[in-house]
Order: sequence, then C-alpha cells, then structure tokens
Amino acid sequence: AQKITQTQPGMFVQEKEAVTLDCTYDTSDPSYGLFWYKQPSSGEMIFLIYQGSYDQQNATEGRYSLNFQKARKSANLVISASQLGDSAMYFCAMREGMYSGGGADGLTFGKGTHLIIQP
Amino acid sequence: DAGVIQSPRHEVTEMGQEVTLRCKPISGHDYLFWYRQTMMRGLELLIYFNNNVPIDDSGMPEDRFSAKMPNASFSTLKIQPSEPRDSAVYFCASSFTSYTGELFFGEGSRLTVL
Repeated sequence: AQKITQTQPGMFVQEKEAVTLDCTYDTSDPSYGLFWYKQPSSGEMIFLIYQGSYDQQNATEGRYSLNFQKARKSANLVISASQLGDSAMYFCAMREGMYSGGGADGLTFGKGTHLIIQP
Repeated sequence: DAGVIQSPRHEVTEMGQEVTLRCKPISGHDYLFWYRQTMMRGLELLIYFNNNVPIDDSGMPEDRFSAKMPNASFSTLKIQPSEPRDSAVYFCASSFTSYTGELFFGEGSRLTVL
C-alpha cells in the first residue's frame, strides 16, 4: 500500500483564489511528521510546512496552512490568496519514527500535484 | 549559511561509464539522504546516513549503486557501470535531529546516460 497518496495529478486555479491540495497517508507508527514541499520548474525542493503527529493545532506558515485530520489520516495543504508564483509541483511527504528515540526514517513522498495558477 | 551543495549539476555520460555524484551537507546536520527523481517513479529514497553511518540502503536499486560518507561534510553516490535507465535527477538532502526534522535539499544532479 502506498504510504502517501495525492489524488490530484493536476489543478488549475484562478489567481487570488484559495487552493486545497489533498494528501492522505498510511502508517502504524504513532510518531511521525508530515511535510509539504514545493518544486518549481527550476527543480529545487523547497520546504513549506510541517505537522507533527502529536501537534494539537494545525500548522501555519504565512499563506500556507495544513489541515491535519489525524483520524482520517489526512494532511491537506491550503494556500490562501494564490499567486502566479505558486505554480509548481507540490509534494506531500511523511517521516516515521520522529520521536521514538531510535532515529527517524527518510521522507516518503507522494507522487505530487501539479498546480497551475491562472491570471 | 550555505545550503546543501551538490556536484556536478549536470552530467552526460555514455552507457558503461562510471558516474560519481558528490554532496556536501549543511554543517551540523547529522542525517544525509540520497534521493532519485524520475517521471515514472517520482522521488525515491536510495540510502540515508546518520552520523556518517549508512542506516538504510534498501532503496538502492542494485549493486551498481554505492554510496559512502567518509566524514560529516562529504558524501558520494557512485554508479558503475551506468545504464540509460539510471538517467534521473539525483538529490542529496540533509537534516538535523530536531523536533521538526525537515530535510534541506541540494539543487540536484541531472544525470543523462546515453
């Protein structure tokens, strides 16, 4: 079974609209972190936001927020007031073993969502 | 502060040649990761190190691939012999054992094997 599922291969959104990018995950580890990365056409991987499995509140970073629904194993990224520069691939990722003391694993990535912001 | 530094940025080689990709992690980071990105398979974790020790190499596709981390500031990923199906972007990333533990990625090495 896939550990990270992103069901939207591509999305077109009008500039200034809010965007929700879906991500569901699968793990039996109680200690994990969820991450979102942005990859523009230039290719670099840019860290956007993090949510720990024990965090009580949803993470926010500027225009980015993470809608964390633990029972549903969902970690959707919300981008408010989208901008043309938000056009990129967006990857959801999970890192297991975060707080177990035995060392964390590497990030497991989803297939990504290609977001295109239209003027 | 300098980020993760990878070299070369681009490599074009012929099938059968040896390829060596290099990475300098962020100073003080104790984890180092090698990823491969292709259109078909997405981002795959090949191997990662903690305090210079390989922890999990289960993602290394076959014996043609090897990785070393002789010290805290340098790692190599070697492919010998290279094949056309090895063409991909190879990313190195590092992280620090911390509450958030986000990975910081280098700019990638784009490998083309003809």
